[in-house]
Amino acid sequence: KAGVTQTPRYLIKTRGQQVTLSCSPISGHRSVSWYQQTPGQGLQFLFEYFSETQRNKGNFPGRFSGRQFSNSRSEMNVSTLELGDSALYLCASSLGSHNTEAFFGQGTRLTVV
Amino acid sequence: QQQVKQSPQSLIVQKGGISIINCAYENTAFDYFPWYQQFPGKGPALLIAIRPDVSEKKEGRFTISFNKSAKQFSLHIMDSQPGDSATYFCAASLGNAGNNRKLIWGLGTSLAVNP
Repeated sequence: KAGVTQTPRYLIKTRGQQVTLSCSPISGHRSVSWYQQTPGQGLQFLFEYFSETQRNKGNFPGRFSGRQFSNSRSEMNVSTLELGDSALYLCASSLGSHNTEAFFGQGTRLTVV
Repeated sequence: QQQVKQSPQSLIVQKGGISIINCAYENTAFDYFPWYQQFPGKGPALLIAIRPDVSEKKEGRFTISFNKSAKQFSLHIMDSQPGDSATYFCAASLGNAGNNRKLIWGLGTSLAVNP
């Protein structure tokens, strides 16, 4: 069974640009969560999607948005990039509302210059 | 506000020793406490998890001890090996209406096991 796939693995963008990250969950998983990981801040929850609906949202500005498609694949978009957005962005998938184990992808390393 | 406090931030242990990482939580409604292990360049992976109706859970060399009254739980790694060198995260989860769950994470502990 294929794991969680995140693309691209690495990205370099300049301030003010926007970026879209992609996540393909494990087959059959309907929940996708996104996290920002930075040294010293740990894993910061961005949002969770389940069956194309945003179910939970973290405390991030509106520049961070996401969506989920009918095949459960999810995208995350960050607009007007800031230097502080440089981080590892992780996607996690799980079966659904009754299953708590989250399976993580390898992440996308975003560097904003 | 950090709802799950993890300590220490970093830990160095000799091969064969015991690694102990502690977490404390505030919300007594949390009902699922997992530990995740993350190697460099990889995403976190579930290591072991416990629910508050038991005080201890053991899987191989890894043990979670849970103290409900103190609102604390800890990870013990027995006979620590260099291959255990990784960052460990504790988390807590709360189920709400509709069984939606969100994991609240500790800040992580970087473990180095010296050969």
